[in-house]
Amino acid sequence: SQQGEEDPQALSIQEGENATMNCSYKTSINNLQWYRQNSGRGLVHLILIRSNEREKHSGRLRVTLDTSKKSSSLLITASRAADTASYFCAGWGGSTLGRLYFGRGTQLTVWP
Amino acid sequence: NAGVMQNPRHLVRRRGQEARLRCSPMKGHSHVYWYRQLPEEGLKFMVYLQKENIIDESGMPKERFSAEFPKEGPSILRIQQVVRGDSAAYFCASSGATPGQGNWDYGYTFGSGTRLTVV
Repeated sequence: SQQGEEDPQALSIQEGENATMNCSYKTSINNLQWYRQNSGRGLVHLILIRSNEREKHSGRLRVTLDTSKKSSSLLITASRAADTASYFCAGWGGSTLGRLYFGRGTQLTVWP
Repeated sequence: NAGVMQNPRHLVRRRGQEARLRCSPMKGHSHVYWYRQLPEEGLKFMVYLQKENIIDESGMPKERFSAEFPKEGPSILRIQQVVRGDSAAYFCASSGATPGQGNWDYGYTFGSGTRLTVV
């Protein structure tokens, strides 16, 4: 079964607005990663947050992690049409070596 | 510095044929992972390999699927006697370190995938 589950499944906003996507996971993780996938393309790694971190920033991205609630959020500020893509969270549990558990993703559409 | 290279980008096979998907990891990366993605789904782990070794194949179907990562050359994901249900996008990723070691903060580098269609 999926380790990560993103919410919402689809999000539609205007350029300049902020986009927030949430992710919940089931078991303990060592780190949680967010990836972006443009239609028909591979995944691009955006940001990794470790289990002992609560918040991390990278450019217009802000990620939070709440291990007590087993949840994470990805905030994209001042969104652009080019941010239109699917966003996936993926957890790495430590005991499963290379395996990442992906959610189904959030499809973000940013309208110009 | 090329990223992860996968070929072919698109592959069409008739039922019963064999499909061979190739993946060349990033230069300097010795860890390779294969994932499968069905439409509107997230990626599902299949297998994790290092040079000449299969580390974790718990996500691979027991029959018809095999993977290798030889000392020289790309990693190969092989699907024998393909069926319509094998139609999916297959992604390869690589990393330069064992996940979670040290200050590894880079995630995986994914290829653009091979889209397999079984007709």
